[in-house]
Amino acid sequence: EVQLVESGGGLVQPGESLRLSCAASGFTFSSYWMSWVRQAPGKGLEWVANIKQDGSEKNYVDSVEGRFTISRDNAKNSLALQMNSLRAEDTALYYCVRGGGNFVSWGQGTLVTVSS
Amino acid sequence: DIQMTQSPSSLSASVGDRVTITCRASQSISSSLNWYQQKPGKAPNLLIYAASSLQGGVPSRFSGSGSGTDFTLTISSLQPEDFATYYCQHTYSTRRTFGQGTKVEIK
Repeated sequence: EVQLVESGGGLVQPGESLRLSCAASGFTFSSYWMSWVRQAPGKGLEWVANIKQDGSEKNYVDSVEGRFTISRDNAKNSLALQMNSLRAEDTALYYCVRGGGNFVSWGQGTLVTVSS
Repeated sequence: DIQMTQSPSSLSASVGDRVTITCRASQSISSSLNWYQQKPGKAPNLLIYAASSLQGGVPSRFSGSGSGTDFTLTISSLQPEDFATYYCQHTYSTRRTFGQGTKVEIK
């Protein structure tokens, strides 16, 4: 069974940093693109970033480019999202998702709140 | 980036109704279009991929059509468990974008 478990969310002030992690199990992690998708409270889904199987290609939504960094450790079956210079508009539930496009498997999400 | 626009933003329908949701891309995306269903407090569920292919385990009352810039999700006979929010998403380029969502409510 595919399992994706996010952690690392919390309350931070504007301008601060946070690192999200996703522990993957139940599939061959190194064979899949991985993605982060977020959802602000009461709002729609927003694709944030994705990373190729070997980490050689990374893509970001314009609003986080230069502030967020996606990475992976295939030896540890883990995905990460380093979020710097956080803004109020980054407040959202962040989902770890298996795949680069067809999002079949999702984690339960970790909540990031950016507020002073 | 490719923009995805759904219509309507919300709709009210009754059990048994035929429901149609439209998604328009800002440029041609061939058939690179997925549809998701999301219920409150839950992660989204992939319904349709490649514009018209039904994901395994999804009831046959769901169908998708379209190519290029215009796409449609149809629920042939709305069931109580179908009241949810539906999103389209393109997979044409590496920067995936979702539509803003369509909330299907009970009339």
